[in-house]
Order: sequence, then structure tokens, then C-alpha cells
Amino acid sequence: SQTIHQWPATLVQPVGSPLSLECTVEGTSNPNLYWYRQAAGRGLQLLFYSVGIGQISSEVPQNLSASRPQDRQFILSSKKLLLSDSGFYLCAWRGTGGGYTFGSGTRLTVV
Amino acid sequence: AQSVAQPEDQVNVAEGNPLTVKCTYSVSGNPYLFWYVQYPNRGLQFLLKYITGDNLVKGSYGFEAEFNKSQTSFHLKKPSALVSDSALYFCAVRDWGGYNKLIFGAGTRLAVHP
Repeated sequence: SQTIHQWPATLVQPVGSPLSLECTVEGTSNPNLYWYRQAAGRGLQLLFYSVGIGQISSEVPQNLSASRPQDRQFILSSKKLLLSDSGFYLCAWRGTGGGYTFGSGTRLTVV
Repeated sequence: AQSVAQPEDQVNVAEGNPLTVKCTYSVSGNPYLFWYVQYPNRGLQFLLKYITGDNLVKGSYGFEAEFNKSQTSFHLKKPSALVSDSALYFCAVRDWGGYNKLIFGAGTRLAVHP
């Protein structure tokens, strides 16, 4: 069965520190992968999506970057965090049946 | 451009009463529509989707949604609300022009009172 893993679940980081959030998918190959951010417990904003290894598209300019070093691995990074990077980050993949599965999310607090 | 609107920030329902969470959409091409639920500090859980076929879609936890093409709506419904249904609900549409990403509405908070 297909599953998606996201970690860590929570993270508190100081301003200016680096960030690395990881997302991995099991039970599928060549998935379309997405990073979303949810601010203030409401709307979801698409940050990045990837259709394959090394292929990253960015939806909005920001302090973050993404990489896809392996087929089923999607990483969200930052070299220097800002206060405004705080939020709830969700990884997702699109299945062959047309549905989308989300990870359990990472709550990032930048202090 | 594709978009989704959830006109209600919050919906309040008494336990046992029917509930409706509204969603309207704008999309070029065939709409693929989704409903997700989110509990506090949790990821999104899939409830149901409409891709094609019967306009009434049945999903998880007793929820259903009716696709109405003429009104471009996809309202979420449940005949009898439970307190445990209290959560944040998102409607979403697939964006055909953008690598099939999901475009979400702003979310509707459902509060079911005992």
C-alpha cells in the first residue's frame, strides 16, 4: 500500500537557522509530489511541486527551496529562517486514481 | 484561472441535525473536486472526490457531496452531525494547467454542539 511519511512533526528553530523537512513516499514510483504551507490554521498555499527527480517548480517566491534527490524523497529547505516562515507544512503526492494523499504535517515555529 | 470558494468561515450545527458546508468552483475543463478534513495539528484526511459519474458522491464517515454543474457547486453534506465532526473542512479542485496541483478553498470550520 502507498504511504507518505513526513518528519519531524514539530520543530522550533531560531531566526537565521537552516531548515530541512523531509517527505518520503512508499509503495509507488515516479509520484507527483507537493509541498504546501498552511498559515494561521486556515488556507493552504502551494509552495513547490515536483514531477520527477531533480525537477522542481516553485509557485511563489520565498525564502524556501525544495529538492528531489530521489524518486520518492522530497525535501524542503531554507538557509536562513525568517519569522514569517512559521506555519504548518504539508507534503502530498498524487495517486494514479486521481486522489491526493497528505502527510501528517510539520509544525514549524521560528523564534 | 482555477479557483475554489468556501463562503462560510464557520458553520454551527446542533448534534443530530443535518449539516452542509458550501463550496463553489471555477475551472476550465472537467472539474475534479475534493473534500478534505483537518483536525487540530494534523494532516489533511481525504473525505471524498468527484471525477465523473453520479453527481452524488458518498465518502468517509457518512459524508456525501453533490456535484452541481449548472451552479458550479460541490457542497458537503451529512444527514446527522456528530460532535466528533467538528473540524476544519477544505474543498479543492485539481488544476489541469499546473501539473495537476490542488487548489484549495480557504476552509470552513465546522462546530457541532451537543
